[in-house]
Amino acid sequence: EPEVTQTPSHQVTQMGQEVILRCVPISNHLYFYWYRQILGQKVEFLVSFYNNEISEKSEIFDDQFSVERPDGSNFTLKIRSTKLEDSAMYFCASYTDPSGNTIYFGEGSWLTVV
Amino acid sequence: LAKTTQPISMDSYEGQEVNITCSHNNIATNDYITWYQQFPSQGPRFIIQGYKTKVTNEVASLFIPADRKSSTLSLPRVSLSDTAVYYCLVGPSTGGGNKLTFGTGTQLKVEL
Repeated sequence: EPEVTQTPSHQVTQMGQEVILRCVPISNHLYFYWYRQILGQKVEFLVSFYNNEISEKSEIFDDQFSVERPDGSNFTLKIRSTKLEDSAMYFCASYTDPSGNTIYFGEGSWLTVV
Repeated sequence: LAKTTQPISMDSYEGQEVNITCSHNNIATNDYITWYQQFPSQGPRFIIQGYKTKVTNEVASLFIPADRKSSTLSLPRVSLSDTAVYYCLVGPSTGGGNKLTFGTGTQLKVEL
């Protein structure tokens, strides 16, 4: 089965620090997403990315967040100055195109802000 | 975006068939219906996807009536390892870039 890989699996960071979460989407996929899930809550959409630009973003995705596809294979989420409430599991997802229509998710990066 | 409604929780026993129904009254013409399974602290895992009628794979079946305003995920013989949260999602529409919006999902608990 195709696989989206994420690193790190778990990161602990101090409040105010910058964090970069990395994702390697499935190789022929063109549409990329970040979602997050706070413990015990539902999965929330953060941002979608296509053709090297943001397609859509949620209210959660404020100026502290940014995404990048630096080298054609990685897809990163940066949080500039982390807050306690950023503690969550962050999922990367990708899919190939509308005719494929199956979005595959990575296993997640668990971020703990202390 | 189509909103989905599912039961919050369901209980079953090993060996039973489980049917989870999802309503999506505002589904768009080009939306697909996809079901995901999520275990604690893991990413959502694709189970099955369909557009209309019935789809079956090695783990589940998906029944979609003609009006497509609902769908039913059928797990034929559940085991303890099927205890998880199941999400029904609709989209993304043709044209790309559209997000999938998660609802609260259905917590399935399977007991001996």
